[in-house]
Amino acid sequence: NAGVMQNPRHLVRRRGQEARLRCSPMKGHSHVYWYRQLPEEGLKFMVYLQKENIIDESGMPKERFSAEFPKEGPSILRIQQVVRGDSAAYFCASSPPGLAVDEQYFGPGTRLTVT
Amino acid sequence: GENVEQHPSTLSVQEGDSAVIKCTYSDSASNYFPWYKQELGKRPQLIIDIRSNVGEKKDQRIAVTLNKTAKHFSLHITETQPEDSAVYFCAASIGTGYSTLTFGKGTMLLVSP
Repeated sequence: NAGVMQNPRHLVRRRGQEARLRCSPMKGHSHVYWYRQLPEEGLKFMVYLQKENIIDESGMPKERFSAEFPKEGPSILRIQQVVRGDSAAYFCASSPPGLAVDEQYFGPGTRLTVT
Repeated sequence: GENVEQHPSTLSVQEGDSAVIKCTYSDSASNYFPWYKQELGKRPQLIIDIRSNVGEKKDQRIAVTLNKTAKHFSLHITETQPEDSAVYFCAASIGTGYSTLTFGKGTMLLVSP
């Protein structure tokens, strides 16, 4: 059973470009979460999705950021018109349905650098 | 919303010593408390968790304790080894049907041989 997959692992974008980060949850997991980690800081919740639904986006910046988890394919975190302050590691996590829904397993992260 | 405070921010111990990391939370409705270990440049890995119906949980050299009345929980690592060196994060969630984790800021543990 492959773990949570994220790609790309490293992404460099110039200011004003778009960044697309992908996350494939563990097999059998139907819940996906995105977190942002700034250097030497903890993980900050951004958004929680199930297939085709955004459940909680209370941690998402109101502008430029969006997320989706389509019926088929990976979850996508999209950042439009990136700025230097968007440089961070973005982690997704997934959890299974049922009683173990609390247990989140993290992917390797995408390190976004905005130049 | 939930607020999780974690102390200390750095902890240096000698190999073989014990290490204790403490966290407090603000929302009395929180009932799930995982701990994650993150090595440099790697993903956070779930190492142990505890739910509110349990006061203590052990897994080999790692233990977690929970005091719901005081709203704090702690990670205990005994017989530390150099490979325990990493950043440790505590987290809390309400866990009602879905689970949004609120993380502490992390503790960098350095175990010297």
